[in-house]
Amino acid sequence: EAGVVQSPRYKIIEKKQPVAFWCNPISGHNTLYWYLQNLGQGPELLIRYENEEAVDDSQLPKDRFSAERLKGVDSTLKIQPAELGDSAVYLCASSVSGMGETQYFGPGTRLLVL
Amino acid sequence: AQTVTQSQPEMSVQEAETVTLSCTYDTSESDYYLFWYKQPPSRQMILVIRQEAYKQQNATENRFSVNFQKAAKSFSLKISDSQLGDAAMYFCAYRRNTGNQFYFGTGTSLTVIP
Repeated sequence: EAGVVQSPRYKIIEKKQPVAFWCNPISGHNTLYWYLQNLGQGPELLIRYENEEAVDDSQLPKDRFSAERLKGVDSTLKIQPAELGDSAVYLCASSVSGMGETQYFGPGTRLLVL
Repeated sequence: AQTVTQSQPEMSVQEAETVTLSCTYDTSESDYYLFWYKQPPSRQMILVIRQEAYKQQNATENRFSVNFQKAAKSFSLKISDSQLGDAAMYFCAYRRNTGNQFYFGTGTSLTVIP
């Protein structure tokens, strides 16, 4: 079974440029999460989808961040414009909805904003 | 709100020895799930072990076991016969019984000394 796929793995951009990250969850997983992880910290939720619906986006900085999951499968997270403080690892995870289902993570995208 | 606390930012252990990583959490719920995740330097977050709060028996997975103290809201991870490949960041996570929110601790960096 394929795991959670993310691309790109690494991205270097200059500040004020746009950037997009892509995630394909494990087949059959209807819940998808985007996390931000700063160095030496735990993951912080940005947005959670149940199928195509964003059910928790309270921590998403909506002035510059956006996300979509149009068909309830893969998802894209965008930053426009990027700021120096956005340099971090962006993790995607997925799970099956249900009691106690485990969350599985992708390898992450490491973003460096210069 | 649920919070997860890992009070040990760094731990070290001699190869082949045993180490225990601490985790406490705060919740008013009686049914929930707890997880330990491992994140090696490659950044892929991997599930180590999970515990259902309604089960009194502590979960075990080969060299990994937990000490779940529900009344004390404590969920420690014991790694026996530590190996060099166990070196990583370890995150404790809490998941509510209903809903798909996960809450992560700040992590413990484990070093294994040859």
